[in-house]
Amino acid sequence: DIQMTQSPSSLSASVGDRVTITCRASQSISNYLNWYQQKPGKAPKLLIYAASSLQSGVPSRFSGSGSGTDFTLTISSLQPEDFATYYCQQSYNTPITFGQGTRLEIK
Amino acid sequence: EVQLLESGGGLVQPGGSLRLSCAASGFTFSSYAMSWVRQAPGKGLEWVSAISGSGGSTYYADSVKGRFTISRDNSKNTLYLQMNSLRAEDTAVYYCAKGSIGGLDSRALRNYYYYMDVWGKGTTVTVSS
Repeated sequence: DIQMTQSPSSLSASVGDRVTITCRASQSISNYLNWYQQKPGKAPKLLIYAASSLQSGVPSRFSGSGSGTDFTLTISSLQPEDFATYYCQQSYNTPITFGQGTRLEIK
Repeated sequence: EVQLLESGGGLVQPGGSLRLSCAASGFTFSSYAMSWVRQAPGKGLEWVSAISGSGGSTYYADSVKGRFTISRDNSKNTLYLQMNSLRAEDTAVYYCAKGSIGGLDSRALRNYYYYMDVWGKGTTVTVSS
């Protein structure tokens, strides 16, 4: 199985900050990497697919990059509604696997 | 509007069984693979199982293989998860999620991008005596 490791596990930041979350795969997955946002008590929401493609309706301050084993999710200017937990997920093969999550908190 | 609505969760004793349902609307259900993803209390997301749009192919996480069965009724636009031999560690919120493509076989995953673009609100399963 492909293991997905996110860093950091938690992060404190302020409104307006630029934030980067990293996801590393245990083997090369090309660009078969998706990012989700989850707020407390809510279902996950797709943000980025295929490593860098923005899902329809997602603000352009979110961006993704990477290929192979190393990927990043960047929020260019944090907004109050962005404080949430973020997960990466590989779709290179089954079983589909998620990273452990990165909790983004208000500083 | 594309919608998914899970039902069937509840409290069950260890060793018991439960069947979850997910009613889909607003899209051509049979054209898309569907997944179940769970989240234990205070924990991260865990993919549980998936099924192709036709229902002909199924996929499971090792943690549930042999105990859970995924199925779908395309005439009713409904996805199911039959859960048997339940354990305390199966306690979680169970989400159904629509896939972006019709299958998860190797060829499909290499030629297309699979992601889960629509999620239900979840149903809670508690396994406890």
